[in-house]
Amino acid sequence: QKEVEQDPGPLSVPEGAIVSLNCTYSNSAFQYFMWYRQYSRKGPELLMYTYSSGNKEDGRFTAQVDKSSKYISLFIRDSQPSDSATYLCAMTLSGGYQKVTFGIGTKLQVIP
Amino acid sequence: SQTIHQWPATLVQPVGSPLSLECTVEGTSNPNLYWYRQAAGRGLQLLFYSVGIGQISSEVPQNLSASRPQDRQFILSSKKLLLSDSGFYLCAWTKEGAFRRTGELFFGEGSRLTVL
Repeated sequence: QKEVEQDPGPLSVPEGAIVSLNCTYSNSAFQYFMWYRQYSRKGPELLMYTYSSGNKEDGRFTAQVDKSSKYISLFIRDSQPSDSATYLCAMTLSGGYQKVTFGIGTKLQVIP
Repeated sequence: SQTIHQWPATLVQPVGSPLSLECTVEGTSNPNLYWYRQAAGRGLQLLFYSVGIGQISSEVPQNLSASRPQDRQFILSSKKLLLSDSGFYLCAWTKEGAFRRTGELFFGEGSRLTVL
């Protein structure tokens, strides 16, 4: 079993739709949870960061962490064609050196 | 401001040839440095990380090696490439304290390697 599971997609949605992206994980020791966005042929860039359980909102983006279910989500409201990218979930342990474990990434296409 | 540079951006190499990818970070000191590989269908795989000059930790046993000859320079090498080494190689950096606050790894633009 992989430490982090993420559906690779692709996921196609019409412009303006609400997008839900998810990851599950097996290591209950993960404490820091991130979402990175990666445009084609570019390096990933941080989108959202959450420590432990809870919700975090930033503009059209909302990140949720449910540690009891080992499940994290990213919601994108009013999706735009510019949101078309691959979204990678990532997580790491608390304390010491931060080895970040990434999901495989979900490719999202927002159709105008 | 901090910047990260990676080169070359693209390369095509025959099986059995050597490899050298370079990464430099500017605008910060004593960063944690990382090499990741992103292969089709496999996501981002951590290959090496370094917390200081000459300090290299390997995550995946393979025919690749890494070196950190200077504080802000990280090099990925191979003596003989395999077909399975093809992929998108990403260098990244962070500062431990800043990472705890922001969760941010700063990635370079990547080097796309095709082994034929």
